[in-house]
Amino acid sequence: AQRVTQPEKLLSVFKGAPVELKCNYSYSGSPELFWYVQYSRQRLQLLLRHISRESIKGFTADLNKGETSFHLKKPFAQEEDSAMYYCALSGRDKNKLVFGAGTILRVKS
Amino acid sequence: SQTIHQWPATLVQPVGSPLSLECTVEGTSNPNLYWYRQAAGRGLQLLFYSVGIGQISSEVPQNLSASRPQDRQFILSSKKLLLSDSGFYLCAWSVQSYEQYFGPGTRLTVT
Repeated sequence: AQRVTQPEKLLSVFKGAPVELKCNYSYSGSPELFWYVQYSRQRLQLLLRHISRESIKGFTADLNKGETSFHLKKPFAQEEDSAMYYCALSGRDKNKLVFGAGTILRVKS
Repeated sequence: SQTIHQWPATLVQPVGSPLSLECTVEGTSNPNLYWYRQAAGRGLQLLFYSVGIGQISSEVPQNLSASRPQDRQFILSSKKLLLSDSGFYLCAWSVQSYEQYFGPGTRLTVT
């Protein structure tokens, strides 16, 4: 079965501190992993995907197949990073995504 | 450019009443369409998705149904609402599986 686990419901950090949002997945094949973000009063939107290996708004995420993880990282958090973050997986059925429960990131000044 | 609309934005319905939530997409053809329920602590749960007119895949057994009467229209329905149907419902579309574009959502409260 395909499953995405985000163990933290809430992550609170100070501005300028490093951030790591954890994501672990369960899938027997080769998955595609993504991070989606929902800022306050905005729509849920794609932040980044592992196949692009890109940095968006200072965030990066590396797929670790050995640990079945896709953690989202940023070296220095900013207040505008405060949002709900969802990790998602695309597996056997390419028409759909499986989302994790989400993590609220709160960046304090 | 592509846009996605959902209505109503909020809805309060009594238990046992019917439901119809509508989602329409503009600016694209033959999109995949999705209905999700977003619940606190449970994340985004996929309810239904459709790859074409009249083609509906149901992900979880429940009191809801979906229909796609036109290429860019996706409807979520129920004949008799339950209290447990309360939640925030999101519609989304994609033309490639991974990048889904979400609507503004509908907050449904069943009383």
